Amino acid sequence: QQQVKQSPQSLIVQKGGISIINCAYENTAFDYFPWYQQFPGKGPALLIAIRPDVSEKKEGRFTISFNKSAKQFSLHIMDSQPGDSATYFCAAILTGGADGLTFGKGTHLIIQP
Amino acid sequence: KAGVTQTPRYLIKTRGQQVTLSCSPISGHRSVSWYQQTPGQGLQFLFEYFSETQRNKGNFPGRFSGRQFSNSRSEMNVSTLELGDSALYLCASSLEPGVSPNYGYTFGSGTRLTVV
Repeated sequence: QQQVKQSPQSLIVQKGGISIINCAYENTAFDYFPWYQQFPGKGPALLIAIRPDVSEKKEGRFTISFNKSAKQFSLHIMDSQPGDSATYFCAAILTGGADGLTFGKGTHLIIQP
Repeated sequence: KAGVTQTPRYLIKTRGQQVTLSCSPISGHRSVSWYQQTPGQGLQFLFEYFSETQRNKGNFPGRFSGRQFSNSRSEMNVSTLELGDSALYLCASSLEPGVSPNYGYTFGSGTRLTVV
């Protein structure tokens, strides 16, 4: 069964700290791993994404680390800000397939000022 | 540039009724996907439409159906509503089917369906 497991469910981080969210997948056919950010009342928005042939990708304060052998990937938010408070979803997909994104259950992140 | 528009934003229906939700994709986007979001199950893929054809359907009963029109607008229908169908229904549009490094989803804000 295709699954993506995400942890933790909720996370509280002090302003300026590092937020870390972890995901693990089962289906080795997945070849694209995006992260989405969702604010209340809004749909998810793409934050950053990675392919499994890359071990790390950084965009501004956001970094994805990818461990293909362990089938795990994580999102690091450096210098976390109150505006980063949102729900974060990891996801996986086989590009070119027709099954849509498989999402993790989400992490509710709160950045305390 | 207008985003993905979903109507209505909120809907309350009674068990046994049917409901139709609408999604207008970003201009030029030809693919529309639908997802169900609930606190318990999270985000789950419902189906994807491209060129008026359903490419695939997630693990949902036949009560869930959809269609896409020639202008790429899409509707989804749920018949014989159950309490468990209460959810946020999200529509996502993209230039081409699926998601890839070259193109991705833009989600709408969703339709919040409550079944009572």
